[in-house]
Amino acid sequence: QVQLVQSGAEVKKPGASVKVSCKTSGFTFTYYAMHWVRQAPGQRLEWMGRVDPASGKTYYSQKFQGRVTITRDRSASTAYMELSSLRSEDTAVYYCARQEMGKVGAIYHYAYEYGMDVWGQGTTVTVSS
Amino acid sequence: QSVLTQPPSVSGAPGQRVTISCTGNTSNLGAGYDVHWYQQVPGTAPKLLIYDNNNRPSGVPDRFSGSKSGTSASLAITGLQAEDEAEYYCQSYDSDLSGSVVFGGGTKLTVL
Repeated sequence: QVQLVQSGAEVKKPGASVKVSCKTSGFTFTYYAMHWVRQAPGQRLEWMGRVDPASGKTYYSQKFQGRVTITRDRSASTAYMELSSLRSEDTAVYYCARQEMGKVGAIYHYAYEYGMDVWGQGTTVTVSS
Repeated sequence: QSVLTQPPSVSGAPGQRVTISCTGNTSNLGAGYDVHWYQQVPGTAPKLLIYDNNNRPSGVPDRFSGSKSGTSASLAITGLQAEDEAEYYCQSYDSDLSGSVVFGGGTKLTVL
């Protein structure tokens, strides 16, 4: 079945970096964009960025530009999100989520009409001294 | 604050109909971007409820429906059930943010 399985909880000190993985199965990895969304305790969902697995192109929220790096390993059907220069405000649950790409001929393109239809279970990242 | 504005809370009795609004502007909903809705039960990951303004993924009951007009969108839930108690988020894109994904602030639905 379709699954997104994320790596386990992390505890980091301020200034450190964290890398969260999202291993996918049950579908063709390159047909779906992979988003990263976080949620601080009691707060709303916050989009961080996405990677288009076929091309590897990445797009980031202006808020996290320069601090976040999203990558993918096509051979392992896995996406990664690395956040650097951590501070206490980065304490949150981090989710990966897939979104179907559109296709015209042999070219895949981002499709705004599709939502994020499968989510990982979330990874809790705690930043504390 | 969020680019998309939702009421913090709504409530209704079992069997009733409730609506949750999502208000944007000309750079997001009014620019023609589609809106999607998610349901999040506390302690769990969000679940896609409505995509492309008014489409339900398979498995989502037809008690849930969406609509969009101009700079606003809404989610309607009919025949309210206790299990519908959750947080609901709208999501779209914003051209002023280079087409980035934007979420509403979330609406807590309480079933009385």
